[in-house]
Amino acid sequence: DGGITQSPKYLFRKEGQNVTLSCEQNLNHDAMYWYRQDPGQGLRLIYYSHIVNDFQKGDIAEGYSVSREKKESFPLTVTSAQKNPTAFYLCASSISRGSNEKLFFGSGTQLSVL
Amino acid sequence: AQTVTQSQPEMSVQEAETVTLSCTYDTSESDYYLFWYKQPPSRQMILVIRQEAYKQQNATENRFSVNFQKAAKSFSLKISDSQLGDAAMYFCAYRSAYSGSNFGNEKLTFGTGTRLTIIP
Repeated sequence: DGGITQSPKYLFRKEGQNVTLSCEQNLNHDAMYWYRQDPGQGLRLIYYSHIVNDFQKGDIAEGYSVSREKKESFPLTVTSAQKNPTAFYLCASSISRGSNEKLFFGSGTQLSVL
Repeated sequence: AQTVTQSQPEMSVQEAETVTLSCTYDTSESDYYLFWYKQPPSRQMILVIRQEAYKQQNATENRFSVNFQKAAKSFSLKISDSQLGDAAMYFCAYRSAYSGSNFGNEKLTFGTGTRLTIIP
């Protein structure tokens, strides 16, 4: 079955530590996205990539980094510079840039600080 | 910048009854897309329904329909014959139809969500 796989489901970060959240899709989609969800809030865009080796900052990119070396993969690193990393992180993809087709979402990663 | 407002943090409805969730948005654009997403306890985001602003006809997907009022910038979701499986957070979202070099037009802007409870 085609879809988006996020791992791990739960992740704990120690202070000063960088952690990487995995996102893999087998839908052959060009565009991939990372969103952050906090309680009582909607989703906020962290980073976006519409093609391999290219990505752009979203609304809340500070303290995060991404890479897009393969079409299928779009990992998100939460760096020690992100002072409030506890949140639910959702990865999504769509067929192409600017498409009005729907976003496909992964099942998310809950990141907590120890 | 576009904003999306969901003024009902929580709603409840009796099973088999009808409920309407409200959404308003602010934009200066004339062409855009509006979406309703459902997030059940599993936390996976699921597209419920999509509306293109240039279409006058309200979108319908089985028990789900929208009331799209472009002049009022309103996009409400009606759920008919509510079922226990409809219990979830519902998010309204906006996306510009102008996908040029300005990435800012590409993203989905979400509201803060409405938690829907179904009473058996």
